Parts: sequence; structure tokens; C-alpha cells
Amino acid sequence: KNEVEQSPQNLTAQEGEFITINCSYSVGISALHWLQQHPGGGIVSLFMLSSGKKKHGRLIATINIQEKHSSLHITASHPRDSAVYICAVGTRNQFYFGTGTSLTVIP
Amino acid sequence: DSGVTQTPKHLITATGQRVTLRCSPRSGDLSVYWYQQSLDQGLQFLIQYYNGEERAKGNILERFSAQQFPDLHSELNLSSLELGDSALYFCASSAGLQTYYEQYFGPGTRLTVT
Repeated sequence: KNEVEQSPQNLTAQEGEFITINCSYSVGISALHWLQQHPGGGIVSLFMLSSGKKKHGRLIATINIQEKHSSLHITASHPRDSAVYICAVGTRNQFYFGTGTSLTVIP
Repeated sequence: DSGVTQTPKHLITATGQRVTLRCSPRSGDLSVYWYQQSLDQGLQFLIQYYNGEERAKGNILERFSAQQFPDLHSELNLSSLELGDSALYFCASSAGLQTYYEQYFGPGTRLTVT
């Protein structure tokens, strides 16, 4: 049983498209994190959410605590957004990760 | 640059051996997390230290152990290595104890067990 489910697993988009990646979880959480992993392997934290919505540049992340669901949106996608996006949920003393969404943005 | 350093970048060793991975957290951060990323399992949480004390444990094998030193750097020790231990090992640091603090990831150590 996976505590964190992400969809889609793979996503190909044309440059400029609006992209949505979804994350559902089954445990009670303290926070939800969206991470970005580039082909070289490095991981960058994009957002930490415990409620509501956050925006950073072209990235928007939302969370619905009651529905145990979060979305990551990328507006006006660009080839440099090509990466794996990983949803992670933190409970009181554990972290659970989704399997990641591999995004490819074509020029 | 996240400010978190990990050494070595790459490590190749044989089954049955023991290795030590090192992590230096971002300046001022008290929490260090260790994660394993393998092709078949994805990212998994191993263990968390906060200000020198173990605070949370995930899917860490008994053959693995970690510690955090007074200068806050941390080491992950992997012993009796098996082929399945081949993976990327990341450490991350954060300012606080709870999981709602933003984490800063190191570049990772790629371990290959032959």
C-alpha cells in the first residue's frame, strides 16, 4: 500500500502549455513537500505546504487537507522545466514519497 | 547551491564491505535527514537526527547506522553491503525538528556495490 500516489507518471507537453501534477495521500500529515529532481540527480525543494496555496514564479502549489490531495501547476511551461517532480508528505516522524512524475517539455 | 555538502560523490565497493557517507548541513540547520533512492524503490526516508540526537526512523536496515556529531555533520554507515544497497544516498538539512520545515538537499552519494 502506497501512502502517496502521484499522477501522471509521465507527462509530455509543448512549450507554453499549462501543466498539472496531482498527489493524493492516505496518512495524516504535518506538511506536504513538492520536490524537483533534474536529470543530473540533484533535488530541489519547490514548496512546503500545510494549507492553502503557494506561488513562486510560474509554479503554483495547492493543498486540500480534507480531501488529502495536492496539485502542482506549472504555467507557461518551458523546456527547462523538464525534470521529475516528487510529492513527499511528512507526518510527525516519517516521510513518505510518491514515485514521481517525469515531465518533458518540448520546444 | 543548497549549502549542504556530501562526500564522496561516487563510491564503488564490493559486497560484504563497509562504507561511510558524510554530510555537512547548511550553516545553522540542526536537523539532518538521510534518504535512499534506488531505481526500484524510489526515494525512501532512512533516519533523522536533530542536534545530535536520533529523532525519527524510517526504512533503515539494521546493517545501516548513522550519527550526528557535535559540529552537526552526520555520517551514515553501511555495513555488510549487498548488491541491492546500490543507490543514490541523499542527505538533507532543515532548521527545525518538525517535517514542516523546508529541506535543503545535498548533491548525493552514488553507491555502487559490485
